[in-house]
Amino acid sequence: SQQGEEDPQALSIQEGENATMNCSYKTSINNLQWYRQNSGRGLVHLILIRSNEREKHSGRLRVTLDTSKKSSSLLITASRAADTASYFCATGRDDKIIFGKGTRLHILP
Amino acid sequence: KAGVTQTPRYLIKTRGQQVTLSCSPISGHRSVSWYQQTPGQGLQFLFEYFSETQRNKGNFPGRFSGRQFSNSRSEMNVSTLELGDSALYLCASKLVPIQETQYFGPGTRLLVL
Repeated sequence: SQQGEEDPQALSIQEGENATMNCSYKTSINNLQWYRQNSGRGLVHLILIRSNEREKHSGRLRVTLDTSKKSSSLLITASRAADTASYFCATGRDDKIIFGKGTRLHILP
Repeated sequence: KAGVTQTPRYLIKTRGQQVTLSCSPISGHRSVSWYQQTPGQGLQFLFEYFSETQRNKGNFPGRFSGRQFSNSRSEMNVSTLELGDSALYLCASKLVPIQETQYFGPGTRLLVL
């Protein structure tokens, strides 16, 4: 069964706006990762946050993790056309990784 | 350093046939995992190999099998193909199983007619 569940399933925003995606999970985790997938291609790792961390940044990406609520969010600031993709959260525990079904993000020109 | 490569990139088969997909991990990576991605089920874990041994297995029927060679290259095989096996098959590698981040190949898109 899926561990992570992204919300919303799809999101369309204007270029330059910020995009926020959420991930909720059910059991305790060691870490949570976010991946991007462009149009049915392979996944690209974006960022990893460990269970003892609350926030991480990488360029225009900001990830938060709230283990008490079993949820994470991915914020992409100043979105660009190239950010159009599907975004997946993946929860890691005991060297097993389980992916959610993803959020499809579409950046409008 | 070259990334994960998968061959072939596209494949069309008919029901009942079998198929073998290949994955070459990043040089030095010894752990290879396979995933099936479909619109309905999302990304589902098939199995993981490390040092030529299967470490973990997902919830797939025995028609799905794999192996890993001494050079860490991996193959997965699907026998007696069904229409529902149409999917994007992704391979991911990492140095060792305990490493948290995986590096994915471009995938093999399989269409079963």
